[in-house]
Amino acid sequence: SQTIHQWPATLVQPVGSPLSLECTVEGTSNPNLYWYRQAAGRGLQLLFYSVGIGQISSEVPQNLSASRPQDRQFILSSKKLLLSDSGFYLCAWTGRGDYGYTFGSGTRLTVV
Amino acid sequence: GNSVTQMEGPVTLSEEAFLTINCTYTATGYPSLFWYVQYPGEGLQLLLKATKADDKGSNKGFEATYRKETTSFHLEKGSVQVSDSAVYFCALISNAGGTSYGKLTFGQGTILTVHP
Repeated sequence: SQTIHQWPATLVQPVGSPLSLECTVEGTSNPNLYWYRQAAGRGLQLLFYSVGIGQISSEVPQNLSASRPQDRQFILSSKKLLLSDSGFYLCAWTGRGDYGYTFGSGTRLTVV
Repeated sequence: GNSVTQMEGPVTLSEEAFLTINCTYTATGYPSLFWYVQYPGEGLQLLLKATKADDKGSNKGFEATYRKETTSFHLEKGSVQVSDSAVYFCALISNAGGTSYGKLTFGQGTILTVHP
């Protein structure tokens, strides 16, 4: 069966520090991968999506970047965190031509 | 562009009360519609979905009917339980253009609290 792993679950980082959040999918190949952010009291915003290795599309300009070094690995990064980067980050995947999203358990990031 | 509008919360109900959370959308093409639920401290789980007009999605006593004429997908449950307390998100994927990926557009979420 397919599973999605996301870590860490919680993270407290100082302003200006780097960030790396990792997401991996098991039990499938060539998934579409997504990073969403949920700011406090707000809905979910799509940050990045990827349809293949090395293929990254950004939905909104921001302080973050994403990479897909392997087929089932999706990484969210920042060189210097801002206070406004705080939020709940969710990774998700879908199969090709399949609109059934599976979400990871999320990472709660607090920038202090 | 695509957008989803949900009724503002929070919604507070007593156990066994009837629940309605309104959701309306604008989209190009013929979207698929979803309700996701987020329990405290967890990620999102798919609650139900409908892929074409007049379809009814149902799961765990929740129902929602895809109404193309009113561009709505309201969530209902006849008798809520304390365990239903969560945040509920309405969402859509528009398959206009035949893209090979599906980007979910979410509403802002509605917090539901059910008291014993």
